[in-house]
Amino acid sequence: DGGITQSPKYLFRKEGQNVTLSCEQNLNHDAMYWYRQDPGQGLRLIYYSQIVNDFQKGDIAEGYSVSREKKESFPLTVTSAQKNPTAFYLCASSPRGNTIYFGEGSWLTVV
Amino acid sequence: KQEVTQIPAALSVPEGENLVLNCSFTDSAIYNLQWFRQDPGKGLTSLLLIQSSQREQTSGRLNASLDKSSGRSTLYIAASQPGDSATYLCAVSLDDYKLSFGAGTTVTVRA
Repeated sequence: DGGITQSPKYLFRKEGQNVTLSCEQNLNHDAMYWYRQDPGQGLRLIYYSQIVNDFQKGDIAEGYSVSREKKESFPLTVTSAQKNPTAFYLCASSPRGNTIYFGEGSWLTVV
Repeated sequence: KQEVTQIPAALSVPEGENLVLNCSFTDSAIYNLQWFRQDPGKGLTSLLLIQSSQREQTSGRLNASLDKSSGRSTLYIAASQPGDSATYLCAVSLDDYKLSFGAGTTVTVRA
């Protein structure tokens, strides 16, 4: 089936630790995105990529990093510099200027 | 910066009643507007996409209108069912890629 796969579904991070969230798509979409969702709030854009080996910061990029070495993959690293990382993280992809498709999300909790 | 507002934050209706969900945005120079559904702890599912040149889109029991000049969109869901219970989010884009999301309206349809 075509779609977007995020892993892991649940992740726990200790203070000072970096963690990486995986996102893979087989929809052949050029653009990929990472959003953060906090309870009762809308989604906020962290990073997006329009093409392989290129990506741009979104509205809340501080404390996060990404890479886009393959069209299918857009992993997100939550670094120790992100002081409040507990949230629901959503990966998405889209053809240019068209409907955006989301993965099932990953829950990150700081312990 | 584009601001997207959805009022009310929550709505409860009896089964069979029509639903009217509102979305307003501050910058009328949008590229498109999308409505999404989100079930608890899940990713977003696209319901309707309205291009800036369009006034409305329909899919089954769903109809979305767009009035760019007033910065408003309305999602109508006819003859609501308990399965329509979810959070509905609208998002607007100013270009081919980046979306600005509202916080959503959480709908409960009572059987």
